[in-house]
Amino acid sequence: QKEVEQNSGPLSVPEGAIASLNCTYSDRGSQSFFWYRQYSGKSPELIMSIYSNGDKEDGRFTAQLNKASQYVSLLIRDSQPSDSATYLCAVNIYSSASKIIFGSGTRLSIRP
Amino acid sequence: DTAVSQTPKYLVTQMGNDKSIKCEQNLGHDTMYWYKQDSKKFLKIMFSYNNKELIINETVPNRFSPKSPDKAHLNLHINSLELGDSAVYFCASSLRPGGDTQYFGPGTRLTVL
Repeated sequence: QKEVEQNSGPLSVPEGAIASLNCTYSDRGSQSFFWYRQYSGKSPELIMSIYSNGDKEDGRFTAQLNKASQYVSLLIRDSQPSDSATYLCAVNIYSSASKIIFGSGTRLSIRP
Repeated sequence: DTAVSQTPKYLVTQMGNDKSIKCEQNLGHDTMYWYKQDSKKFLKIMFSYNNKELIINETVPNRFSPKSPDKAHLNLHINSLELGDSAVYFCASSLRPGGDTQYFGPGTRLTVL
């Protein structure tokens, strides 16, 4: 089982709709969870971090964490064409020098 | 002001050559990282330094040697370059190891011919 798993996509969502991105992880001791966005040819940039179970909202973005199910998701409301990018889920691996492992990313495409 | 900078942005070289990539951060962070992103966009950690001390050394060929002269700089030297080393290499930094947000440099696209 991969340490951090994401569907590679592409996930195609109409403009204005909600995009839902999912991520599962294997290390039950993980405490820190991140969503990064990466545009083609650019470097990853942080969208949201979440550390506690439940929802965390920031503008059009909501991160959801369920540690019992080892599941973290990112919802993007009112999707815009500028949201088209690859979204990387990242989780700290508590059992291994507290490093962060990235998932392989989900490519999101917002269609007009 | 650039937070994490890398040079060069592009590097094209022949197999067997030795090359270096430099990274600098002006965020005052203690921890720096090197990642490799392959053609499938998978971002894999290679090394991490905390206060100039190596704390993460993944299964990377020993042709790759990181060096941290101070906590604001982390360089990557690659000996005897191979075709499979072609990738984008990202430097990143964070306040502390592990659970903190990482800030990425713009990347260095390495092409080995």
